Amino acid sequence: QKEVEQNSGPLSVPEGAIASLNCTYSDRGSQSFFWYRQYSGKSPELIMSIYSNGDKEDGRFTAQLNKASQYVSLLIRDSQPSDSATYLCAVISNFGNEKLTFGTGTRLTIIP
Amino acid sequence: GAVVSQHPSRVICKSGTSVKIECRSLDFQATTMFWYRQFPKQSLMLMATSNEGSKATYEQGVEKDKFLINHASLTLSTLTVTSAHPEDSSFYICSASHRDSGNTIYFGEGSWLTVV
Repeated sequence: QKEVEQNSGPLSVPEGAIASLNCTYSDRGSQSFFWYRQYSGKSPELIMSIYSNGDKEDGRFTAQLNKASQYVSLLIRDSQPSDSATYLCAVISNFGNEKLTFGTGTRLTIIP
Repeated sequence: GAVVSQHPSRVICKSGTSVKIECRSLDFQATTMFWYRQFPKQSLMLMATSNEGSKATYEQGVEKDKFLINHASLTLSTLTVTSAHPEDSSFYICSASHRDSGNTIYFGEGSWLTVV
């Protein structure tokens, strides 16, 4: 079982709709969770970080964390063509260990 | 957000030569930096963890003598690919841990290495 799993996609969403990206992780002791966006040929860009159960909203983005289910998601409201990218879920397992474990990423395409 | 700068952004080198990539945290001190490699359409693979003033910790399967990492100061880490071969051609990305932001990891812009 992979440590961090994502559906590789591609996920196609109409412009203006909500895009929902999902991620599961295997280490129940994981403490820190991140969503990165990566455009083709570019470095990952931090979108959201979340550390406690529940929802965290930042503009059009909402991260959701459920530690009991070992599940973290990212919702993108009012999707724009510029949101088309690969979204990487990343997890830090333990306090004091800053090593990020990445999922394979979900490729999102927003259809105009 | 915090800024991590990587240089050069693109480099082409001849097979058998060495090339150095620099990673700098511009507005914060990074006691820990990470080096990743990413092949096309694949996820980031951690190569090594670099701690200031100590030897880097390499991931399994990464040759420490081939990928030399130096973290001489709190704002600079370097990766040297020695005796480069065409199969070393890849996108190399560094990142730095910002302790004052809950250990959030910020990435450099990445460096495209092409070995010919």
